Amino acid sequence: DAGVIQSPRHEVTEMGQEVTLRCKPISGHNSLFWYRQTMMRGLELLIYFNNNVPIDDSGMPEDRFSAKMPNASFSTLKIQPSEPRDSAVYFCASSLDLEDRALQETQYFGPGTRLLVL
Amino acid sequence: SQQGEEDPQALSIQEGENATMNCSYKTSINNLQWYRQNSGRGLVHLILIRSNEREKHSGRLRVTLDTSKKSSSLLITASRAADTASYFCAPPNDKVIFGPGTSLSVIP
Repeated sequence: DAGVIQSPRHEVTEMGQEVTLRCKPISGHNSLFWYRQTMMRGLELLIYFNNNVPIDDSGMPEDRFSAKMPNASFSTLKIQPSEPRDSAVYFCASSLDLEDRALQETQYFGPGTRLLVL
Repeated sequence: SQQGEEDPQALSIQEGENATMNCSYKTSINNLQWYRQNSGRGLVHLILIRSNEREKHSGRLRVTLDTSKKSSSLLITASRAADTASYFCAPPNDKVIFGPGTSLSVIP
């Protein structure tokens, strides 16, 4: 398996521009997570989906951020308009949500998208 | 939702030495996971220990769990420069939430 695929790997944009990050989860996984990581704030969970449905978006910083999962093999995280403080590494992760909750999902992370907003 | 709190925040050791990192959490758990993150990369799952286990081994990794103290430790034996990374514990949740991690530097 190719693992979780993210694109682009690097993105440099100017303040005010729209940014779209993409993620392809591992085939067969039914949960997908978007994280943001900065030196100041560490690793933050932004939103996660289960069976393509957003379950918890409480980590989304503000209305400029939106995420979609139109099908089981694709998700996007959009920032519009982007601001310099959005500069971070954005990770996508996927997991298989088992009925036996005691196992807890092991998350598999993509390589991340390094975003720089000038 | 809870997150694990790792301690220490930073650790620097010589190659060949053992590295011990600790994790504390707040509520009762069914299991706990440890992850590693190399600089600039995504997290990689290392090991899962269940609440009915006190110790678990995987290669040079040894994880302990003390549910009475709500704490876990990760021991890396005979460390190598390649072990340089950040290490995160993740108590179970509806979603896995990560604390600040322990930044480990192994000096050749």
